[in-house]
Amino acid sequence: KAGVTQTPRYLIKTRGQQVTLSCSPISGHRSVSWYQQTPGQGLQFLFEYFSETQRNKGNFPGRFSGRQFSNSRSEMNVSTLELGDSALYLCASNHEFTDTQYFGPGTRLTVL
Amino acid sequence: SQQGEEDPQALSIQEGENATMNCSYKTSINNLQWYRQNSGRGLVHLILIRSNEREKHSGRLRVTLDTSKKSSSLLITASRAADTASYFCATEGVMGGATNKLIFGTGTLLAVQP
Repeated sequence: KAGVTQTPRYLIKTRGQQVTLSCSPISGHRSVSWYQQTPGQGLQFLFEYFSETQRNKGNFPGRFSGRQFSNSRSEMNVSTLELGDSALYLCASNHEFTDTQYFGPGTRLTVL
Repeated sequence: SQQGEEDPQALSIQEGENATMNCSYKTSINNLQWYRQNSGRGLVHLILIRSNEREKHSGRLRVTLDTSKKSSSLLITASRAADTASYFCATEGVMGGATNKLIFGTGTLLAVQP
């Protein structure tokens, strides 16, 4: 089975712009979770989608949003980018009957 | 902060030695997972231990869990240079229904010298 894929792998944006990141889970996995990793805050949970519904949300401002499509692919969007949004964004997928989360390679976002 | 703590923050050992990392967390959990990360890349799942388990093995990895102390340890035996990476523990809390929300520890940076 192919693993979790994330696109793009690297992205450079300027303050005020918006960005959309994409994640394709492992085939058969209906849950996709998103995490932000920064040197200062570490790994933090953003949100989780299951069957096109947001099931859990972390403590991030409304500028961070996401969605999931019927094929389980997920996108996350960050509007009005700030310098502090520079981070590695990771998505993870898991099968509904297991607890193990499988992570993609991440998207490195740099905000200038 | 809900974030777990890992100890030590950094560890440097020689090839062949054992490496032990500790993780403490704050809330009741369903399970605890250990992940490895190489140089800012994606996380690789190593092992999952459930709240009703006390010890688990996988190859050169041994994980223990003490729910009364809210702590876990990861032991890597006979370490290799390729084990050089950051290691994170992550907990899935007890909540109504499925969560798939992991709370990560601060990580331990392991350097294995050849």
